[in-house]
Amino acid sequence: IVVTQTPLFLSVTPGQPASISCKSSQGLLHTDGKTYLYWYLQKPGQSPQLLIHEVFKRFSGVPDRFSGSGSGTDFTLKISRVEAEDVGVYYCMQSIQFPRTFGQGTKLEIK
Amino acid sequence: EVHLLESGGGLVRPGGSLRVSCAASGFSFASSSMSWVRLVPGKGLEWVAVVSADGGTTFYAESVEGRFTISRDNSKNTLYLQMNSLRADDTAVYYCAKDQTGWGNFASWGQGTLVTVSS
Repeated sequence: IVVTQTPLFLSVTPGQPASISCKSSQGLLHTDGKTYLYWYLQKPGQSPQLLIHEVFKRFSGVPDRFSGSGSGTDFTLKISRVEAEDVGVYYCMQSIQFPRTFGQGTKLEIK
Repeated sequence: EVHLLESGGGLVRPGGSLRVSCAASGFSFASSSMSWVRLVPGKGLEWVAVVSADGGTTFYAESVEGRFTISRDNSKNTLYLQMNSLRADDTAVYYCAKDQTGWGNFASWGQGTLVTVSS
């Protein structure tokens, strides 16, 4: 499954919203009713961290300014008000089948 | 608290071999599916391989199939990645990740170990 993210680069003023699109070449809805689409963030100099699982479920400790949505093959990560600590590279990943595949990554910088 | 610590990275010549390890603590290692994910310079994250909790089932990325072997020793709480026939494009930071559900829910990651393939 090919996963395509857009844009590849975002430059956002603090306090402004940001949105990242993720499209998969096949649907990610499993017969168990779950959709296996995840969002990860890799901050500079750090290991990746889980933000969102199964499309919209925020992982423990993730601020509520982060939200995920979508279905089928089209998904979106939104940040309602970008903060300086949100800089890094955002990746979506599908896990409905092997091999797991990541999008190319979207680099977020602060203006 | 979950703790994952990779080791064994280094410089290796093309065609060479290397084994990286991941020591786990703070959770029931023998009950958890584990993966290796790499950060390729200038490219991004790439999932490499997964092993089931009991070690009996494995899957690989096409780019490493036949060259890499993922394994685990549950008595030692340790995950391994044996890498053979290494190529320049295997150069990356290799992370081990705990899969919370077995469905790619990588809730915990190690700090990574750098593998450089170069002559």
